[in-house]
Amino acid sequence: KAGVTQTPRYLIKTRGQQVTLSCSPISGHRSVSWYQQTPGQGLQFLFEYFSETQRNKGNFPGRFSGRQFSNSRSEMNVSTLELGDSALYLCASSLEGTGEMNTEAFFGQGTRLTVV
Amino acid sequence: GENVEQHPSTLSVQEGDSAVIKCTYSDSASNYFPWYKQELGKGPQLIIDIRSNVGEKKDQRIAVTLNKTAKHFSLHITETQPEDSAVYFCAASAGFQKLVFGTGTRLLVSP
Repeated sequence: KAGVTQTPRYLIKTRGQQVTLSCSPISGHRSVSWYQQTPGQGLQFLFEYFSETQRNKGNFPGRFSGRQFSNSRSEMNVSTLELGDSALYLCASSLEGTGEMNTEAFFGQGTRLTVV
Repeated sequence: GENVEQHPSTLSVQEGDSAVIKCTYSDSASNYFPWYKQELGKGPQLIIDIRSNVGEKKDQRIAVTLNKTAKHFSLHITETQPEDSAVYFCAASAGFQKLVFGTGTRLLVSP
């Protein structure tokens, strides 16, 4: 069974540009979450999608957005890039999350974004 | 909001020794506590998890304990091996797949 696939693995962008990252979850998984990992702030939750709906959102500015498609694949977008957006962006997929009861989350290898 | 503290930040042990990593959480609504191992250049890998209705869980050399009253949980690795060297993260969640992570522990196992 294939794991979580994130593309691209590496990206270099210029300040002010926008970027779109892609995540393909494990087959059959319907929940996709996104995290930002930096040396200073650690792993921080961005948002979670289930059945094409955003159910939960972290404390990030509106420049960070996402969506989920009917096949559960997800994309996240960052507009007007800042130097501080340089990070490893991780996607995690879960079988399903029925509200209060979490199910195991499996992470992809991440997309390394560098903003110059 | 939820806050998770993790200690120690670095841990060096000899091969064969045990390693213990401790975490505390603040949100009493948290009911799910996974542990992840992250190797260089890779995403976090789930190694064990525990739910709030369970006090202890074991999987071969790895065990996790949970004390809901004190709001802390710990990871125990016995008979450590060099391949256990990595960064370990604890996390807590009150649902909806939102994980709040600790700051990580760099474990180094020396042969």
